[in-house]
Amino acid sequence: AQSVTQLDSQVPVFEEAPVELRCNYSSSVSVYLFWYVQYPNQGLQLLLKYLSGSTLVKGINGFEAEFNKSQTSFHLRKPSVHISDTAEYFCAVLDPQGAQKLVFGQGTRLTINP
Amino acid sequence: NAGVTQTPKFRVLKTGQSMTLLCAQDMNHEYMYWYRQDPGMGLRLIHYSVGEGTTAKGEVPDGYNVSRLKKQNFLLGLESAAPSQTSVYFCASSFDVPRKNSYEQYFGPGTRLTVT
Repeated sequence: AQSVTQLDSQVPVFEEAPVELRCNYSSSVSVYLFWYVQYPNQGLQLLLKYLSGSTLVKGINGFEAEFNKSQTSFHLRKPSVHISDTAEYFCAVLDPQGAQKLVFGQGTRLTINP
Repeated sequence: NAGVTQTPKFRVLKTGQSMTLLCAQDMNHEYMYWYRQDPGMGLRLIHYSVGEGTTAKGEVPDGYNVSRLKKQNFLLGLESAAPSQTSVYFCASSFDVPRKNSYEQYFGPGTRLTVT
């Protein structure tokens, strides 16, 4: 069975500060990992994904994440955040077999303070 | 392309009432999914479909039924609503064979349902 744990439910940071949102996963099959972002009152959109290859993946809006197999982690980072990054962020693991179901973490609410 | 659309956007039901949520996608996706989002619990899969005429149970299927009569539509039904079904419901869709190795699911804007 697959599972995802997001270690922080809320992360407040000041504008232009760096941020890291933590994600740990458990999977018995090939690991396909995703970060989705949900802006207020909207649906989810894909931020970035790791399927294979380079363990450092870059996404939209200056975000990047690093896949660490030994630590079973996929932490999301941004070197300098903006007010517009205020959103909820979800880490997810996908089972590529069958219906490609996603298993989501609990979500991390990122709040940017001026 | 409208992408994934959901109807309605908001709804308030009384306990015991029934309703149907409609999801439509215009991307010719084979796979469609219904999730519910609750605070502190992320998104949980209710039901999914791998093609027209097929449905399957997800993680939290109790109290819900679904139908996929047309490829582009995926309906979620609540036969007898309960307060525990107060949630935000999201529909998503994806290709069966990943395009450009994507595996991306595309989400609708959500339906906020309150059961009193």
